[in-house]
Amino acid sequence: GDSVTQMEGPVTLSEEAFLTINCTYTATGYPSLFWYVQYPGEGLQLLLKATKADDKGSNKGFEATYRKETTSFHLEKGSVQVSDSAVYFCALRMTTDSWGKLQFGAGTQVVVTP
Amino acid sequence: DAGITQSPRYKITETGRQVTLMCHQTWSHSYMFWYRQDLGHGLRLIYYSAAADITDKGEVPDGYVVSRSKTENFPLTLESATRSQTSVYFCASSEIPGQNTEAFFGQGTRLTVV
Repeated sequence: GDSVTQMEGPVTLSEEAFLTINCTYTATGYPSLFWYVQYPGEGLQLLLKATKADDKGSNKGFEATYRKETTSFHLEKGSVQVSDSAVYFCALRMTTDSWGKLQFGAGTQVVVTP
Repeated sequence: DAGITQSPRYKITETGRQVTLMCHQTWSHSYMFWYRQDLGHGLRLIYYSAAADITDKGEVPDGYVVSRSKTENFPLTLESATRSQTSVYFCASSEIPGQNTEAFFGQGTRLTVV
């Protein structure tokens, strides 16, 4: 079945460091790909998305490029802040799924220290 | 207030008791979803719904039931709670799935079964 694999955390970084969170997927068709963020005590918020190969999603300084050849959607940010401390989830949604169900990875906790 | 709200935010219940988690959204979204979040598993889909009185099972439906008599409400009931159902539960809603459709999540209910 369709699945998403993320690098395990926690990832601990100093402020202004470069962040990469790896995400790869397995899918029988062509999914849309998403990154969601969960700040402490809150629900999930959509951070960015890409709907087709070579699309780049970006938001709040974060970027991710849909790479069909490597089935990847790695999240990057050039200079993290303490406020970026959160759990990040990679997810896919099959375009053929009329229900719009999301398949999530296990999540990666990111801790940014001053 | 507009949005998606879950209640209660925290619940402790005893093994064998029935408990209902509430989800209410004000956007008149057709689609609603229940996920559970567990360490190492990310979010897993329990049940979903496309409209009032239209529901279907997700990845981990055993021990849960849902109903959808009104578009805006999607309660999740644990018929006889077990310790393995200790988790954080998230409700989500979306418009009819499409390339640019975004799912919106509630703040979650932390359920502890003792």
